[in-house]
Amino acid sequence: AQKITQTQPGMFVQEKEAVTLDCTYDTSDPSYGLFWYKQPSSGEMIFLIYQGSYDQQNATEGRYSLNFQKARKSANLVISASQLGDSAMYFCAMREGDRHNDMRFGAGTRLTVKP
Amino acid sequence: DTGVSQDPRHKITKRGQNVTLRCDPISEHNRLYWYRQTLGQGPEFLTYFQNEAQLEKSRLLSDRFSAERPKGSFSTLEIQRTEQGDSAMYLCASSLGTSGKRELFFGEGSRLTVL
Repeated sequence: AQKITQTQPGMFVQEKEAVTLDCTYDTSDPSYGLFWYKQPSSGEMIFLIYQGSYDQQNATEGRYSLNFQKARKSANLVISASQLGDSAMYFCAMREGDRHNDMRFGAGTRLTVKP
Repeated sequence: DTGVSQDPRHKITKRGQNVTLRCDPISEHNRLYWYRQTLGQGPEFLTYFQNEAQLEKSRLLSDRFSAERPKGSFSTLEIQRTEQGDSAMYLCASSLGTSGKRELFFGEGSRLTVL
């Protein structure tokens, strides 16, 4: 069963505007972590932000914030003040509790920032 | 550079040949992961080491694949009798095995092309 769903294959945003990348997940484990990674054309996966299932507040890291809606099982990434360098693939990922050591990734969203 | 390094970055081989990919993790990280990524998809988990012990293997890892991590340092992923379907980017990641965030730090990947 698909654990992580990213429904937007591609997104466009104007430079300096904000953009939201969607992610929904499926788990029955009460303890889990959600991650967002950026993959530029060079191929390296760059960690952006983390949200734990028990965290009370939405995670923020600079221009990145995570809109965590636990009841809806969604963990959308918000990028504020988009920059041309934000153009890349973005992957949502989840690690369930401590029983599963693998991190499962969604199919990704390709973000293009327009000048 | 103290990040995760992978070698080779690019490998072209003929069907039926054996290939070996190498990963050097961040030195203090005790956990090491191998993922495979095909075009337009997110990374798929292959296997995971904690120190020198291989603790988890995906069903994606057929008998033609073998991974080792001698002495808990670098790791190798060997693919025997390569097939065209093995063509992919092979990503290595490492992490420090503490609770909580434990984000993965990825290398730039080894792109394998099987002709």
